[in-house]
Amino acid sequence: NAGVTQTPKFQVLKTGQSMTLQCAQDMNHNSMYWYRQDPGMGLRLIYYSASEGTTDKGEVPNGYNVSRLNKREFSLRLESAAPSQTSVYFCASSGGRTDTQYFGPGTRLTVL
Amino acid sequence: GNSVTQMEGPVTLSEEAFLTINCTYTATGYPSLFWYVQYPGEGLQLLLKATKADDKGSNKGFEATYRKETTSFHLEKGSVQVSDSAVYFCALTLNPSGSARQLTFGSGTQLTVLP
Repeated sequence: NAGVTQTPKFQVLKTGQSMTLQCAQDMNHNSMYWYRQDPGMGLRLIYYSASEGTTDKGEVPNGYNVSRLNKREFSLRLESAAPSQTSVYFCASSGGRTDTQYFGPGTRLTVL
Repeated sequence: GNSVTQMEGPVTLSEEAFLTINCTYTATGYPSLFWYVQYPGEGLQLLLKATKADDKGSNKGFEATYRKETTSFHLEKGSVQVSDSAVYFCALTLNPSGSARQLTFGSGTQLTVLP
């Protein structure tokens, strides 16, 4: 049982490059989330998907797009990376009657 | 808006010392409260939670009580171990939007336990 998986684990980009962060969950959860973690600021919600086919903005959506490809997969795209997007990105999922979110191991992104 | 304020770190303790990490919140409504833990190089894991006033969450020797009158959810452990060294996050969620539960996190508290 893998839980929530994320790829890649590390990535270095140059300003203006694009990339997609992948996330998949095998817990049959309806809801999925993307967060970024910056020093001293905790985790901030970028986008979330309440169910397959829906996505909504979180606290810090600018510069990002998302796709809920199917129930298992939720990707985050940076179209034109900026140094301010240097961060650790976490995907999470939740489902059923519980409030609990389950997190992936994270992707450490550096934009030069 | 909703917010979570945590005790600033880092916190350094000797093994077997008593731990308290303070957490207070501001929310419009009746949130569920959580403590998540992040071990070095890993994602966040749920440590404990409480869903209504006066509930006590507990796990692995850690405890926290949901205090509505003081809007607090302080984390405590009677005797810490070196393996408890991690970053601890307090968080809340309110009534879901659809089926999604959006978490609001505190800034995290780094705990280091020395042998």
